[in-house]
Amino acid sequence: QSALTQPASVSGSPGQSITISCTGTTSDVGGYDFVSWYQQHPGKAPKLIINDVIQRPSGVSNRFSGSKSGNTASLTISGLQAEDEADYYCSSYSSGDTAVFGGGTKLTVL
Amino acid sequence: EVQLVESGGGLVQPGGSLRLSCAASGFTFSGHWMTWVRQAPGKGLEWVATIKLDGSQTFYVDSLKGRFTISRDNAKNSLYLQMNSLRGEDTAVYYCARHLLGQRSFDYWGQGTLVTVSS
Repeated sequence: QSALTQPASVSGSPGQSITISCTGTTSDVGGYDFVSWYQQHPGKAPKLIINDVIQRPSGVSNRFSGSKSGNTASLTISGLQAEDEADYYCSSYSSGDTAVFGGGTKLTVL
Repeated sequence: EVQLVESGGGLVQPGGSLRLSCAASGFTFSGHWMTWVRQAPGKGLEWVATIKLDGSQTFYVDSLKGRFTISRDNAKNSLYLQMNSLRGEDTAVYYCARHLLGQRSFDYWGQGTLVTVSS
């Protein structure tokens, strides 16, 4: 149950696109299509923005998209906006009906 | 409207115990897996435990097995986390989260309850 690997920080200017990676193993990210992404603003609870690698829950902006290749999943945010500045966490189902989160990535909108 | 409201957090001495509760409303509680996630101050999210629909199956992060117990009472629409032998490293905000129906992601979260383990 080792944490998934995410970059500590990423940044981008308004209107640009950024991608956050999330690397695991064949026991989690690479073994199942159960990767989800969460957005967390300071002092707030996390919010689900992507589930099952590529699915966007109702109400989530289509500027958020997910993908996966091998043991690495990715979250892309296009058309960056100031309100996107937050912490982002990936999570994956892991063998044995457990779950694991990434260490989190702080997104700064310049 | 789906609501999850945690309670039971507070200051506890090392070695002590605490029972967290999560009151659910606005959905069919018995139809969803439920999970506890914690977040130490200034740190990332950590999955703690998951419980399936009728409570007969539970799963824990390896580092907490034997000290924490997740349970649910579907008649009371409530989720619980019994925490024993608490340590300083258990200091965190504890969130309860609902699983998206039939899936492994968490679509609704409570506001969290802070547990501080200190003498």
